[in-house]
Amino acid sequence: GQQVMQIPQYQHVQEGEDFTTYCNSSTTLSNIQWYKQRPGGHPVFLIQLVKSGEVKKQKRLTFQFGEAKKNSSLHITATQTTDVGTYFCAGSRRPTGTASKLTFGTGTRLQVTL
Amino acid sequence: DGGITQSPKYLFRKEGQNVTLSCEQNLNHDAMYWYRQDPGQGLRLIYYSQIVNDFQKGDIAEGYSVSREKKESFPLTVTSAQKNPTAFYLCASSLRPGSTERGYTFGSGTRLTVV
Repeated sequence: GQQVMQIPQYQHVQEGEDFTTYCNSSTTLSNIQWYKQRPGGHPVFLIQLVKSGEVKKQKRLTFQFGEAKKNSSLHITATQTTDVGTYFCAGSRRPTGTASKLTFGTGTRLQVTL
Repeated sequence: DGGITQSPKYLFRKEGQNVTLSCEQNLNHDAMYWYRQDPGQGLRLIYYSQIVNDFQKGDIAEGYSVSREKKESFPLTVTSAQKNPTAFYLCASSLRPGSTERGYTFGSGTRLTVV
């Protein structure tokens, strides 16, 4: 079945440093989503990418969808302690608007210290 | 405010017992999902429902059962056949089947422990 892997599994940075997590799918995706889960919390939707090579920004967060639509990345510039949590990518093989289910990646846990 | 309510937050079960986890949403979403989360792993799909009175197995449905008698409700039963039920269970919903523009909305989860 479809597999979605993320690296690294865990990263510890000092506040102000940059952070990147990478997401790789075994199959071509129709779209990819990113979620953030704070410690003890539940996943919260951040963004969706649909087009090949698409780049989207949300303040200090930059999301990219690969040209082959099999990989994606999330980059955080100048991390803050509020960025602590686990970041998941989730991919779907079917176009939006058709019945589909998301396959979640393994997650990258980010720890930020002062 | 609209959202998804999961109850209880913590649940303890003896081996051999069935237990039902509640999930209710007032978002008027058509599709609902159950995921299981284990430490160090991502979310794995147990069951999903695109419409009332219809549901499909996900990747790890063995030992679980669901029902969708009302649009707002999608309870999950963890049966005694589930070999390793201790986990964090998350319920989610989306506006329409396949509608992903706004992502999934998740409940706050139920942490199940078998004792």
